[in-house]
Amino acid sequence: GIQVEQSPPDLILQEGANSTLRCNFSDSVNNLQWFHQNPWGQLINLFYIPSGTKQNGRLSATTVATERYSLLYISSSQTTDSGVYFCAVINFGNEKLTFGTGTRLTIIP
Amino acid sequence: DAGVTQSPTHLIKTRGQQVTLRCSPKSGHDTVSWYQQALGQGPQFIFQYYEEEERQRGNFPDRFSGHQFPNYSSELNVNALLLGDSALYLCALGRGGRGTEAFFGQGTRLTVV
Repeated sequence: GIQVEQSPPDLILQEGANSTLRCNFSDSVNNLQWFHQNPWGQLINLFYIPSGTKQNGRLSATTVATERYSLLYISSSQTTDSGVYFCAVINFGNEKLTFGTGTRLTIIP
Repeated sequence: DAGVTQSPTHLIKTRGQQVTLRCSPKSGHDTVSWYQQALGQGPQFIFQYYEEEERQRGNFPDRFSGHQFPNYSSELNVNALLLGDSALYLCALGRGGRGTEAFFGQGTRLTVV
């Protein structure tokens, strides 16, 4: 099956810093989503981005489908950005989301 | 937020018992998938239902079964619970077409003792 790798696994930053999270995948995809999982377990949709670039406030994402990677940018980090960030993909001919191992982001005041 | 409601939010069961988890969708979302998330890991796909039929199944034993009702709500049933079934169970909704955006509920945290 498709492999999804995220890096870095852990990231600790000071409030106000910028960060880049990376997601590599091993096959062509027709769905790529970024999620933020809060401490209560809720997966919050950040971006649906099988290709191209999108921005939403301090967050933006870029997926280069031909090179099989996606990047999530967080600018001016806030403590509320802390949590685990997951990238998940669906490859062609499949129905399921395959999740990466996640990046745990900790923002220190 | 697709307004996905899961119930119950927390549950404690004894090994060997059976459990039913529920997912109630917001209108317009006709595809439901279930995922299991063990502590410290990413969610793992259990199965997906569309038009009341199981469309795809992940690598889970037959003890895990599901159902989708005509109003698109869904149930996940797990029989003969094992300690290893302790996890967060997540329901995800989509809209029919393959590869469309998925929206998750808040999850049910199941503890098997």
